[in-house]
Amino acid sequence: NAGVTQTPKFQVLKTGQSMTLQCAQDMNHNSMYWYRQDPGMGLRLIYYSASEGTTDKGEVPNGYNVSRLNKREFSLRLESAAPSQTSVYFCASSEATGTAGNTIYFGEGSWLTVV
Amino acid sequence: QKEVEQNSGPLSVPEGAIASLNCTYSDRGSQSFFWYRQYSGKSPELIMFIYSNGDKEDGRFTAQLNKASQYVSLLIRDSQPSDSATYLCAVNSGSARQLTFGSGTQLTVLP
Repeated sequence: NAGVTQTPKFQVLKTGQSMTLQCAQDMNHNSMYWYRQDPGMGLRLIYYSASEGTTDKGEVPNGYNVSRLNKREFSLRLESAAPSQTSVYFCASSEATGTAGNTIYFGEGSWLTVV
Repeated sequence: QKEVEQNSGPLSVPEGAIASLNCTYSDRGSQSFFWYRQYSGKSPELIMFIYSNGDKEDGRFTAQLNKASQYVSLLIRDSQPSDSATYLCAVNSGSARQLTFGSGTQLTVLP
């Protein structure tokens, strides 16, 4: 019973490099999310996918792209990493979005440092 | 304008005391409210959620909601050192009904 699995757990990038964070969930959830968490800022939504085949921007989408590959998988891509993207990234999933009681389950996080 | 506000703390309470964590939100149309606990270096985990005005109890935890005052709180009774963590308030709001998180309150329970 893995829940939400994201990789890699730790990554160091040089400015301008690209990389993709992978995320998969085994709970048959419709909705998936990518958040970033910075000290004192709480969790901020980057992108979300309400269902397979759809993606939407969240609060801080600039510098990121996403792909909802299938119902299980939702990846986050940094095309040209910048030091401002140094953060902890959390993938999450929920059964549905836009409804009351929308409980979100989080992956273990990916620590990304851009130098 | 931050939609969900929490005191960042740190909040320190002695073991066995009641810890009170507070959260205010700006969107009057918000429908549901969540409390997550996050240990250092770990991911957030759901403690409880509340939809209706009043109190909701789950073990040592009580969530309180006052929609008129746009205020939600979490009480932890008989606090234990293992309760030491950051507590995140989250509100289901906005046009897409996404969860908006507060910046969290750091709680330390002193033995």
